Amino acid sequence: DAMVIQNPRYQVTQFGKPVTLSCSQTLNHNVMYWYQQKSSQAPKLLFHYYDKDFNNEADTPDNFQSRRPNTSFCFLDIRSPGLGDAAMYLCATSRGKLGGNEQFFGPGTRLTVL
Amino acid sequence: GEDVEQSLFLSVREGDSSVINCTYTDSSSTYLYWYKQEPGAGLQLLTYIFSNMDMKQDQRLTVLLNKKDKHLSLRIADTQTGDSAIYFCAESMTGNQFYFGTGTSLTVIP
Repeated sequence: DAMVIQNPRYQVTQFGKPVTLSCSQTLNHNVMYWYQQKSSQAPKLLFHYYDKDFNNEADTPDNFQSRRPNTSFCFLDIRSPGLGDAAMYLCATSRGKLGGNEQFFGPGTRLTVL
Repeated sequence: GEDVEQSLFLSVREGDSSVINCTYTDSSSTYLYWYKQEPGAGLQLLTYIFSNMDMKQDQRLTVLLNKKDKHLSLRIADTQTGDSAIYFCAESMTGNQFYFGTGTSLTVIP
């Protein structure tokens, strides 16, 4: 049973061409996260939504934006992708209540920038 | 984000125990987690521990927390080839913002 779905699994874009990655969840969780993971590195939190409240990490570049139109969907928009933005992008969800929240991760979208 | 560090590689023989270590800097961390990532897949939560605990055991997994030294470890007993993966520790103060370590690649030699 798919719980956190990311589409597409592989995305190729051109340098400077806007790209949108999508994530959906069937868990009805309050919180949705976007992480960037480069090769052999830790997943880096970009931002998260707690319901409709957007929380940006201080070091997330302005080039990265996010939208959450409803509980189930969350989008990552990269306005002008650079070569350094090539990475795996992971979406995750959690219930959002204090108490050792488990995060459920999607399989990721691997972004290639040409 | 906070600094969470791990050694990059670990090799063990099948049947031996594996111990993966992690250090963190944020003394206000409330929750500490271990995740497993297999090739091409997302992260899967293995276990977590609250900061007011010293140890947690779950089948083959034992988590030890030394809060004074800000050191977390994951012991896998009777390591199997299916345990080969990258293991990430993560910490969170709020339970909503998570900061991951660099990951330890575990190789299990048959």
